[in-house]
Amino acid sequence: AQSVTQLGSHVSVSEGALVLLRCNYSSSVPPYLFWYVQYPNQGLQLLLKYTSAATLVKGINGFEAEFKKSETSFHLTKPSAHMSDAAEYFCAVSEASGTYKYIFGTGTRLKVLA
Amino acid sequence: EADIYQTPRYLVIGTGKKITLECSQTMGHDKMYWYQQDPGMELHLIHYSYGVNSTEKGDLSSESTVSRIRTEHFPLTLESARPSHTSQYLCASSDVGNTDTQYFGPGTRLTVL
Repeated sequence: AQSVTQLGSHVSVSEGALVLLRCNYSSSVPPYLFWYVQYPNQGLQLLLKYTSAATLVKGINGFEAEFKKSETSFHLTKPSAHMSDAAEYFCAVSEASGTYKYIFGTGTRLKVLA
Repeated sequence: EADIYQTPRYLVIGTGKKITLECSQTMGHDKMYWYQQDPGMELHLIHYSYGVNSTEKGDLSSESTVSRIRTEHFPLTLESARPSHTSQYLCASSDVGNTDTQYFGPGTRLTVL
């Protein structure tokens, strides 16, 4: 069965610094991969998705993620953090079996320091 | 921008009450989902539907039930709420033609006293 691991439940960065949120999945078959952001008292908003096209995926709000099959990773990055990036970020894998079900990571709360 | 709506956004009720959480989407998506989310935890799928009159239980056991009589509507019902049901409930929908990307509603935060 698929699993998703997000290293670091809490990450703090200074405003203007690089943001790196880690996500590893367990599968020998490249699945669909997603990053979502959740602001307080809101639902999840799609940041970006990998669907076996380009390995470097650009999303909204300046975020991007790189799919690395050899490392089974899909880390999320942003060159320069902004205060408005403070939120919870979830990595998710869509099972390749066609069930359309997602497996979510436990989330990483990003704090941006002034 | 996804058009998926959940009501109420917040609900505080007493033990033993019957409640229905509403979820509607205007995108014509066939697939809809209910997740339960506790603070600091991942989302757990509790119900899903592939279309009208199709419902399945998810990976997390839940005492709730769902129905799918119309494509756009996927309500979740708790016959007798208990404090253990206190959680955030998120509804989502997806379209197989868009790599099954799921779009989420704003959530309902339920507190059972």
